[in-house]
Amino acid sequence: EAQVTQNPRYLITVTGKKLTVTCSQNMNHEYMSWYRQDPGLGLRQIYYSMNVEVTDKGDVPEGYKVSRKEKRNFPLILESPSPNQTSLYFCASSPLAGELETQYFGPGTRLLVL
Amino acid sequence: AQSVAQPEDQVNVAEGNPLTVKCTYSVSGNPYLFWYVQYPNRGLQFLLKYITGDNLVKGSYGFEAEFNKSQTSFHLKKPSALVSDSALYFCAVRDIGATTDSWGKLQFGAGTQVVVTP
Repeated sequence: EAQVTQNPRYLITVTGKKLTVTCSQNMNHEYMSWYRQDPGLGLRQIYYSMNVEVTDKGDVPEGYKVSRKEKRNFPLILESPSPNQTSLYFCASSPLAGELETQYFGPGTRLLVL
Repeated sequence: AQSVAQPEDQVNVAEGNPLTVKCTYSVSGNPYLFWYVQYPNRGLQFLLKYITGDNLVKGSYGFEAEFNKSQTSFHLKKPSALVSDSALYFCAVRDIGATTDSWGKLQFGAGTQVVVTP
């Protein structure tokens, strides 16, 4: 089944404790992206990747890191989480960026930083 | 830079009545426009997209959207709403401008909650 998976789905952590949210897609998509969803703000793009070893900042990259060492995986890293990073996070992928394609979204990761 | 606005936080409609969810956008180049729907505790699902061609785009679940370049709008419509259409709807835009700098960015609106009452 074609899908985007995220782990963990729910996470409670404390300020400053490094964490990684994994994202994996099995569709051989070139493009992957991370978003955060906050009430009243919609989805805001954190980082995106046009292909392996190619990543770019979205609208709200501060406090986050990503890597794209292989096509299927695009982990989101919070080196020193803070309470303002409490949010619902979505990973997404599409076959190509900049062309006539849509994005497939993962199920979301709900993060609470105390 | 691209931006998108959804002027209504919530739209209330009775079942069987027409449903419209508004979206306006701003881009420097050409817009690729999308509508997504999010049901409670679920990820986003793609509804429809406008890339080029016919201004009226038909999508999933009986939804359609009309691209209006002069008004920079891309309103979502459904002729007869169902209670099951109650969800959070997001408009999104990608700016395909003169350069490829913003090709990877997708800008979402804040979302509009649709409530369909029986």
